[in-house]
Amino acid sequence: KAGVTQTPRYLIKTRGQQVTLSCSPISGHRSVSWYQQTPGQGLQFLFEYFSETQRNKGNFPGRFSGRQFSNSRSEMNVSTLELGDSALYLCASSPGDRTYEQYFGPGTRLTVT
Amino acid sequence: QKEVEQDPGPLSVPEGAIVSLNCTYSNSAFQYFMWYRQYSRKGPELLMYTYSSGNKEDGRFTAQVDKSSKYISLFIRDSQPSDSATYLCASSTSGTYKYIFGTGTRLKVLA
Repeated sequence: KAGVTQTPRYLIKTRGQQVTLSCSPISGHRSVSWYQQTPGQGLQFLFEYFSETQRNKGNFPGRFSGRQFSNSRSEMNVSTLELGDSALYLCASSPGDRTYEQYFGPGTRLTVT
Repeated sequence: QKEVEQDPGPLSVPEGAIVSLNCTYSNSAFQYFMWYRQYSRKGPELLMYTYSSGNKEDGRFTAQVDKSSKYISLFIRDSQPSDSATYLCASSTSGTYKYIFGTGTRLKVLA
């Protein structure tokens, strides 16, 4: 079974721009979660989607948004980028009934200059 | 105070040693406890998960949860240089679909 894929793997953006990151979950997994990982804060939960519905979200500003499509693929968007948004963005997929089993993708490394 | 606390290390041990990695948490409603391993420049890899209190063993790895003291442990027996990585603990409350991670402990197993 193919693992979680994330595109692009690396991205460099300028302050004020917006960015869209993509995640394809493991086949058959219906839950997708997004995390931001930084050296200082570690892994921080952004949001979780199941069957196109956001079921929970973390404490991030409204500039961070996401969505899930009917094929379970997910995207997250960050608008008006700030330098502090530079991080590794990780996507994890889970079987819908066992969301504690999270399988992570390799991440997208975003650098904001 | 963070909901899940973890000593960042690094923790250096000789090959073959028993490694003990620990986390504490503050939310008594947490019921699911997970351990992940993350190699440099890779996404975290799920090692084990436990529900509520007790022990769970998988090969060289044993996860232990003590809800009375809000303490989570991962033991690695016969540690190998390939175990060198950052180990992350995570916790969740049933039905919230939100997972709180510790900041990770860097482990170095010296050959």
